[in-house]
Amino acid sequence: AQSVTQLGSHVSVSEGALVLLRCNYSSSVPPYLFWYVQYPNQGLQLLLKYTSAATLVKGINGFEAEFKKSETSFHLTKPSAHMSDAAEYFCAVSERGNNRLAFGKGNQVVVIP
Amino acid sequence: EAGVAQSPRYKIIEKRQSVAFWCNPISGHATLYWYQQILGQGPKLLIQFQNNGVVDDSQLPKDRFSAERLKGVDSTLKIQPAKLEDSAVYLCASSQRGPGFTGELFFGEGSRLTVL
Repeated sequence: AQSVTQLGSHVSVSEGALVLLRCNYSSSVPPYLFWYVQYPNQGLQLLLKYTSAATLVKGINGFEAEFKKSETSFHLTKPSAHMSDAAEYFCAVSERGNNRLAFGKGNQVVVIP
Repeated sequence: EAGVAQSPRYKIIEKRQSVAFWCNPISGHATLYWYQQILGQGPKLLIQFQNNGVVDDSQLPKDRFSAERLKGVDSTLKIQPAKLEDSAVYLCASSQRGPGFTGELFFGEGSRLTVL
């Protein structure tokens, strides 16, 4: 069964600094990988997804992630944090064909002015 | 295009009471999911429907949770009797199927349950 690991439940970053959220996955077959964002009292919104095309994936709000098969990783980055980036971020994996997402525990991002 | 609709947004009940949540997926989406999100954790799949049939309910606590998707559109998730540990946000999601499907799920805003 597929799974993802996100380390560090809370991440603090200064406004204007690099945002880096780490995600490592486990899957017995080539996976689909996703990053979702959740703002307070809202549902999950897709940031970006990897589905076997380009390994560097660009998403909304200036975020991007790189799929590295050798490291089984799909880390999320943004060059310069904005106050509006304060939210919870979830990495998720699905095995192609089973239509089910397995989520990591999430990273709560706090942006410091 | 309308998104996934859920109601109620918030519900407070006492333990041993019952509660029901409703979900209306995006029009045309054949697959519907219920996820449980406990505070500080990632969402956990409870049940997956394909049209009106159950695909996966292996993590649904069947002694107290039930779900149905009559007519393959709307769905209802019921908890009876509720326990304190059922306090969570219940997220409904839907997705398409077909050759172009790439695994993306579309989520509703969730129903927050507090059990006292």
